[in-house]
Amino acid sequence: GQNIDQPTEMTATEGAIVQINCTYQTSGFNGLFWYQQHAGEAPTFLSYNVLDGLEEKGRFSSFLSRSKGYSYLLLKELQMKDSASYLCAVRAAGNKLTFGGGTRVLVKP
Amino acid sequence: DARVTQTPRHKVTEMGQEVTMRCQPILGHNTVFWYRQTMMQGLELLAYFRNRAPLDDSGMPKDRFSAEMPDATLATLKIQPSEPRDSAVYFCASGFLRDIQETQYFGPGTRLLVL
Repeated sequence: GQNIDQPTEMTATEGAIVQINCTYQTSGFNGLFWYQQHAGEAPTFLSYNVLDGLEEKGRFSSFLSRSKGYSYLLLKELQMKDSASYLCAVRAAGNKLTFGGGTRVLVKP
Repeated sequence: DARVTQTPRHKVTEMGQEVTMRCQPILGHNTVFWYRQTMMQGLELLAYFRNRAPLDDSGMPKDRFSAEMPDATLATLKIQPSEPRDSAVYFCASGFLRDIQETQYFGPGTRLLVL
């Protein structure tokens, strides 16, 4: 089975940095995704990691350590519009994604 | 601007009624996924198709739910009879198998309320 853990909620200040951790235990591993979901909207793709290391995309970076079953999403220079839920999802065999419960990030002025 | 479309966007119905939700995947995508999202359970995979063939529907209550892809441009999710516990947001997502990431692109969702 799959088990994915991430914090429920985080609060940070505009302009700051926030790191959202995700730990997983899966039978088989075929990539890890991060999605952003604003309230009342659909999840949108942010990043994908399949090899160990850091992937950087503008203000967002995602890190993966397969041996530790660990990933994080780093949000830099936080903006008010970054207030959203961030979903960690692991793809195992068969291309099925299993999602974590999501981390709600609140950015304060 | 290619997007997944879903209809209806909102549905309010009474317990026992049939509900049909429709999804049009992004043109050229060959995998389609149905998810349900609730506050308590988060985002759960109900079923998915590849090249219109059902690959996995283990997440779906078989007695009342059914999913089909009558053609490459239409996927349907049906609940019959509906129950109040089915109230949730139902998302359809599509992806392309040959894309190594096979990123899933989500539709706007159908917000279902069963009274």
